[in-house]
Amino acid sequence: DAGVTQSPTHLIKTRGQQVTLRCSPKSGHDTVSWYQQALGQGPQFIFQYYEEEERQRGNFPDRFSGHQFPNYSSELNVNALLLGDSALYLCASSLVYGEQYFGPGTRLTVT
Amino acid sequence: AQKITQTQPGMFVQEKEAVTLDCTYDTSDQSYGLFWYKQPSSGEMIFLIYQGSYDEQNATEGRYSLNFQKARKSANLVISASQLGDSAMYFCAMRGGGTASKLTFGTGTRLQVTL
Repeated sequence: DAGVTQSPTHLIKTRGQQVTLRCSPKSGHDTVSWYQQALGQGPQFIFQYYEEEERQRGNFPDRFSGHQFPNYSSELNVNALLLGDSALYLCASSLVYGEQYFGPGTRLTVT
Repeated sequence: AQKITQTQPGMFVQEKEAVTLDCTYDTSDQSYGLFWYKQPSSGEMIFLIYQGSYDEQNATEGRYSLNFQKARKSANLVISASQLGDSAMYFCAMRGGGTASKLTFGTGTRLQVTL
C-alpha cells in the first residue's frame, strides 16, 4: 500500500517565478492538506482540499493556491515567489476527519 | 485560536534511558485531539501517538506514551528505553473540534540519543 507521495523532491526557483508542487494521497484517503515548514520551525497549515474544493485555509496570501483532482491528488501553486517562500512543503492525506499521514515533502529553495 | 508550546529546543538522553518531551497547549474547544510526530533529518513527519480530549486513559503505543493532564493543558511525550534511532525532531500538534481538521504544530524539540 503506497503512502503519500510528493514530487519533486527538491526544487530551485528564482524570485518572481511560479512553482507547482504535487501530492498523491495514501490509498483510500480523500482529503489533502498542505503545510509549509520553514527552517527550524514547526509546519504551518496552508490549506486543505476535500471533494475538489478548498475546505479550510490558513494565514497565507492569495499567491498560494491549490487544486484537487477527481482522483484526490492535489497541487500546490505559488506565484511571484519570494525568498521567504523557501521551505519544506509537506502534504498530508486523510479521511475528512481522520489521522493525517504525511509525505516526504518537497524542499523549495528560492534564490 | 489554538496554540502549542514546546519549551525544550533540545534534549539529550542516554541509550536505554527514558525521556520526557514537554508540550502545553491552549484552546477554547471542548473537543480536540493531541498528536506527536517524529521528523528525522529526511523530513517526513511520522505519526507516533494520539490522545483525544475525552479519552480517560493516557495513550500508549509501544515505547511511546502520552502523559495527558487536561487541567494543566499538558500532553507530554514519554519515550522509554531510548534507541539511537530515536534521534530526531519531535513535534506536538493539536487538531481542533468541530469541522476544523487542520493541525497546529509547536516549534519542536530536537532529541539526541547518546551511547
